[in-house]
Amino acid sequence: DSGVTQTPKHLITATGQRVTLRCSPRSGDLSVYWYQQSLDQGLQFLIQYYNGEERAKGNILERFSAQQFPDLHSELNLSSLELGDSALYFCASSVDKQETQYFGPGTRLLVL
Amino acid sequence: AQKVTQAQTEISVVEKEDVTLDCVYETRDTTYYLFWYKQPPSGELVFLIRRNSFDEQNEISGRYSWNFQKSTSSFNFTITASQVVDSAVYFCALSEEYNFNKFYFGSGTKLNVKP
Repeated sequence: DSGVTQTPKHLITATGQRVTLRCSPRSGDLSVYWYQQSLDQGLQFLIQYYNGEERAKGNILERFSAQQFPDLHSELNLSSLELGDSALYFCASSVDKQETQYFGPGTRLLVL
Repeated sequence: AQKVTQAQTEISVVEKEDVTLDCVYETRDTTYYLFWYKQPPSGELVFLIRRNSFDEQNEISGRYSWNFQKSTSSFNFTITASQVVDSAVYFCALSEEYNFNKFYFGSGTKLNVKP
């Protein structure tokens, strides 16, 4: 158990809908990262927050957004969902930017 | 170009065999970090090791060992006396000095250990 929690574990929704994925980092970790893992794209870095502020952006679509709250938990919002958004979404956390990232169990999203 | 290449898509071995997973990386930075993660069938990503670019010493942890060679830009992972529980997808990753926050993952190597 990495100490990073993600909810929900599974999510099934329809195209055009909006969903929110939640992540709680390990105790003491200030950085939160979001990744998407799909069969064709592999593991893709989406975005990173550090202590509430956006720090780095990867291959995140404009339909996706994220934020980190004062209690350091983070949410990833996915809107106007498409079939291709079906994937495993991971959250990871670290103490700071140069530290190892520890991953949560992931949220498996299925868009029908 | 891929920053991290794991050329072996899938490897199958019989229990107790040794197996080496290859990882080749590409960076212009002198300071960087390399990682290995394990993703068992249950899906979570488990951290295995982190190595910075200034430390080329090989590391051994139980049945696991890692060989870091800057001259060939490789960071290979060997499992000695493999076990069925080692069956998983293994990912190599790189983070660079200009943006340590951003991890580049390889495409992963699926290891099947048969009894």
